[in-house]
Amino acid sequence: EVQLVESGGGLVQPGRSLRLSCAASGFTFDDYAMHWVRQAPGKGLEWVSGISWNSGSIGYADSVKGRFTISRDNAKNSLYLQMNSLRAEDTALYYCAKSDYFDYWGQGTLVTVSS
Amino acid sequence: QSALTQPASVSGSPGQSITISCTGTSSDVGGYNYVSWYQQHPGKAPKLMIYEVSNRPSGVPDRFSGSKSGNTASLTISGLQAEDEADYYCSSYTSSSTVVFGGGTKLTVL
Repeated sequence: EVQLVESGGGLVQPGRSLRLSCAASGFTFDDYAMHWVRQAPGKGLEWVSGISWNSGSIGYADSVKGRFTISRDNAKNSLYLQMNSLRAEDTALYYCAKSDYFDYWGQGTLVTVSS
Repeated sequence: QSALTQPASVSGSPGQSITISCTGTSSDVGGYNYVSWYQQHPGKAPKLMIYEVSNRPSGVPDRFSGSKSGNTASLTISGLQAEDEADYYCSSYTSSSTVVFGGGTKLTVL
């Protein structure tokens, strides 16, 4: 059974940093691209970032480019999102999703940026 | 990258069919057959319903179907059931090697 478990969310002040993690199991992690998608409270889905199976191809939404860094550790079956210079508008539930089809999603980790 | 355009809401009675549209540009929906649709119930994670315009993952009922014409993709749900009531989102790969979602459509089963 595919499982994706996000962690690392919390309350953080504007301008500070946070690192999200996604622990994957139930599939061959290094066979697939992985993505981060967020959803602000009461709003729609927004793609944040994606990374290919070997980290050779990485992409970011314009809204986070230069502030967020995606990475993965295939030996640990884990995906990460380093978020720097956080803003109030980054407040959202952050999901990790498997493959370029987003065929499996975790339950999300909530990030709240507020003073 | 602007969000794809979806109607804010659609509704239908049990047994009826509904269609949700998703309009983009030639740089996303119209340029690639990488359109997907997701169903999201309140408080739950999204679920993949359609990928590559018209393909259904294993376990998704064949009442759900997808299509595309030009810059507009569509999700059709036939034989509406109460459990289909949810939010639906489309997504597309883009020419910038990013992904863009639609704003979401709330489906109400009357």
